[in-house]
Parts: sequence; C-alpha cells; structure tokens
Amino acid sequence: GDSVTQTEGLVTLTEGLPVMLNCTYQTIYSNPFLFWYVHYLNESPRLLLKSSTDNKRTEHQGFHATLHKSSSSFHLQKSSAQLSDSALYYCALTGITGNTRKLIFGLGTTLQVQP
Amino acid sequence: AQTIHQWPVAEIKAVGSPLSLGCTIKGKSSPNLYWYWQATGGTLQQLFYSITVGQVESVVQLNLSASRPKDDQFILSTEKLLLSHSGFYLCAWRTGGYEQYFGPGTRLTVL
Repeated sequence: GDSVTQTEGLVTLTEGLPVMLNCTYQTIYSNPFLFWYVHYLNESPRLLLKSSTDNKRTEHQGFHATLHKSSSSFHLQKSSAQLSDSALYYCALTGITGNTRKLIFGLGTTLQVQP
Repeated sequence: AQTIHQWPVAEIKAVGSPLSLGCTIKGKSSPNLYWYWQATGGTLQQLFYSITVGQVESVVQLNLSASRPKDDQFILSTEKLLLSHSGFYLCAWRTGGYEQYFGPGTRLTVL
C-alpha cells in the first residue's frame, strides 16, 4: 500500500545551519500530492508546503521542497535554521486505498534548533 | 474564512466510560471532514472521513464510531473507552486541492 518514510526521530541543529529533512514515498497513484505539515507544541498541524508537479520547487516561509517522481522524494530544506523552526514536521501523501483517497502521514521528524 | 472548532479541549476519562468528541466547521458548505488520532509519540492516523451528512467511512478500526448529524458537524464517540484510546484527536477539513486544515484538537487521557 501507499506509505511515507521520513528521517526518523530527532534532528538537532545549530541556528544558522541548513536544514534537510528527508521524505520518500511509495504509491500506486501516478499523480500523488505531497505535503509537508509543521506541528508546533500545543498547536494543531499546519500546512507548510504542497506539490504535485514533478521537478518543480515549491517555497513557503523560507522552506522549500521539490517533488522528484523519479526518486519518489520530497525532501524539506531551508538554507538557515532559526530557533523558531523547532517543531515536529510531517511529510504526507494523498494516496488511494480502494476508492478512498486519504492523507497518509510519515512518522514525523522533530527538528530542534539550538543557539 | 473557514474556522474549525473542537470540543472539549481536553478530557480525562475512566476506562469503560463513554466518550463524545465534537467538531464544527464554519464558513464552508458541504465540507469533507476527517477525524485523526495521534497516540503519544506516534504519527497521525486517519480514523474516519465524511463527505456529506449522514455518511461516514471508517479508515482504521479502533473501537470508535463517528457520525455526521449536520453539514457542519462531525462527532467521534465510543460507549466504552480503552486505555489505548488516549491521545490527541484532531478534526480536519479538506480543500479541493487536497490540503487538509486541522482544528485545535482534543487531548484525551484514559485512566
């Protein structure tokens, strides 16, 4: 079935260093939508980025990601981490199970940015 | 603008007791609505979705049920809580572009 695999667990970075959170996926659907959601403590998850176009970079709030269908990847990047980027990040895929279209989340990656 | 409300904000319940969690969305007619659950330290799992009043599809079986009594309301319930039901419950609605927007969530602790 459809699945999403992310960089596991905790990523700790020093402020100012680049961010790269990996996301790869498996789907039988030829035109998947890929998403990054950010989940700050005591808030609900919020959409950060989305894409369904192959090889096109999408950007928002300093983060960017490019969907590469050839490698089934949608890695999240940022050139310079900020303390306020500390959060849980989910990669998600709109897949299909039978006739059901649903959002499938990876396990999430916690990003901790230190001074 | 669309707003999504969930109630209660938090619940502490005993094993075996009933539960009802609510979700209301305003500013969007005939929304596609979803219930998600996140166990402590776990990922988000989609539980139910509904595309119209009176229609609910189950995605994951967790001894929970859901109902859509009104266009803007989605209810999650069970008659008998289990310890394993503890976690964070989120309601969400979906745009035509398949983005999902989440409510503030309900934190459930089952003792």
